[in-house]
Amino acid sequence: DAKTTQPNSMESNEEEPVHLPCNHSTISGTDYIHWYRQLPSQGPEYVIHGLTSNVNNRMASLAIAEDRKSSTLILHRATLRDAAVYYCILRDYQAGTALIFGKGTTLSVSS
Amino acid sequence: EAQVTQNPRYLITVTGKKLTVTCSQNMNHEYMSWYRQDPGLGLRQIYYSMNVEVTDKGDVPEGYKVSRKEKRNFPLILESPSPNQTSLYFCASSPLTGHHTDTQYFGPGTRLTVL
Repeated sequence: DAKTTQPNSMESNEEEPVHLPCNHSTISGTDYIHWYRQLPSQGPEYVIHGLTSNVNNRMASLAIAEDRKSSTLILHRATLRDAAVYYCILRDYQAGTALIFGKGTTLSVSS
Repeated sequence: EAQVTQNPRYLITVTGKKLTVTCSQNMNHEYMSWYRQDPGLGLRQIYYSMNVEVTDKGDVPEGYKVSRKEKRNFPLILESPSPNQTSLYFCASSPLTGHHTDTQYFGPGTRLTVL
């Protein structure tokens, strides 16, 4: 699987939007971009994923660059409960099903 | 409620005393996996299973065994635990349709301490 690069940490204030960047310059044409997050003392949970087009769901939005070499997870209004480690992961479903986690971005949210 | 359960959630044991951490899912998923999480090393896959009686090694399988006799259960066995297996363990499951919507569901974790 191709490698991703994320900032180690980011800070936000409650009720403000948060943009979490991810670089994946070696992404292949069949790699999907997945985001998982891990809340304190919990297992990782799925957030969102996409291939080329921007995606929205009840948790977040995913903006994918036109060349697919980067993407941004957008939390529209951060809450204290969004404080977590966010992982950007590339998955090629033709190659298998393993999730390879990097270090992720630790998001802190202040009230 | 769709979920992955793990037991026990916390375990303190001594070197060499065999132990089993159970994992069960109620979503009829084909794929199940075990990860360990250590500070500075992130989540690493130990073993995975694509279906009943089909298991394979992940990135860090040494010192662990698994079995998949039933679709819903995937126990992790430490035959002779050592202190370097002190870690936070997560079980995960996923459908295996080969479609990009096959997302993984994780259990709550088992914190293991080997003295």
